[in-house]
Amino acid sequence: DAGVIQSPRHEVTEMGQEVTLRCKPISGHDYLFWYRQTMMRGLELLIYFNNNVPIDDSGMPEDRFSAKMPNASFSTLKIQPSEPRDSAVYFCAVKGVDTQYFGPGTRLTVL
Amino acid sequence: GENVEQHPSTLSVQEGDSAVIKCTYSDSASNYFPWYKQELGKRPQLIIDIRSNVGEKKDQRIAVTLNKTAKHFSLHITETQPEDSAVYFCAARPGTTGNQFYFGTGTSLTVIP
Repeated sequence: DAGVIQSPRHEVTEMGQEVTLRCKPISGHDYLFWYRQTMMRGLELLIYFNNNVPIDDSGMPEDRFSAKMPNASFSTLKIQPSEPRDSAVYFCAVKGVDTQYFGPGTRLTVL
Repeated sequence: GENVEQHPSTLSVQEGDSAVIKCTYSDSASNYFPWYKQELGKRPQLIIDIRSNVGEKKDQRIAVTLNKTAKHFSLHITETQPEDSAVYFCAARPGTTGNQFYFGTGTSLTVIP
């Protein structure tokens, strides 16, 4: 357990609302990844950062999604406006020497 | 880019039997292959990994084998127990990028007591 903290753990919102998911990694990890997991599409990489800089955002589905990493210990994933098809579990992960360690995830439900 | 395929999608075994999950990858430059276990409602957790310079690795009841020529790797679980029931994901890391993982679609393993 790399000590990745995500908040909130569960989020229920209505279509059209803005949603902000938060990730707080333990310091010392240079890479941070955001994933989305659904039954239909499995684990999808949305974006990843190296030293707080976005490296690859090709997995971000639409302009409604945005991610930031203002410092080494905090990152956000924002969806504005949210839609029912955004309902999923969103994981933040950090890179160790080789592997990636996942946070507990945020279960998002958009009604 | 890398493409990882995983089979089977579901697997049921009797307690005590062995389970084998197979993955193939497309990028011959991939050099690291982790396996994750995800229990219902939990995060994926690393259970074993293997680097491309090794053909086999074992950790108690779990083993992973890698065939670089054929570009496939497998997870072997022996003496399965009900607590092994979970979804298992394989992944491959291309050597060219060194950071991004490409995940298989997962195998739902059920161990029947």
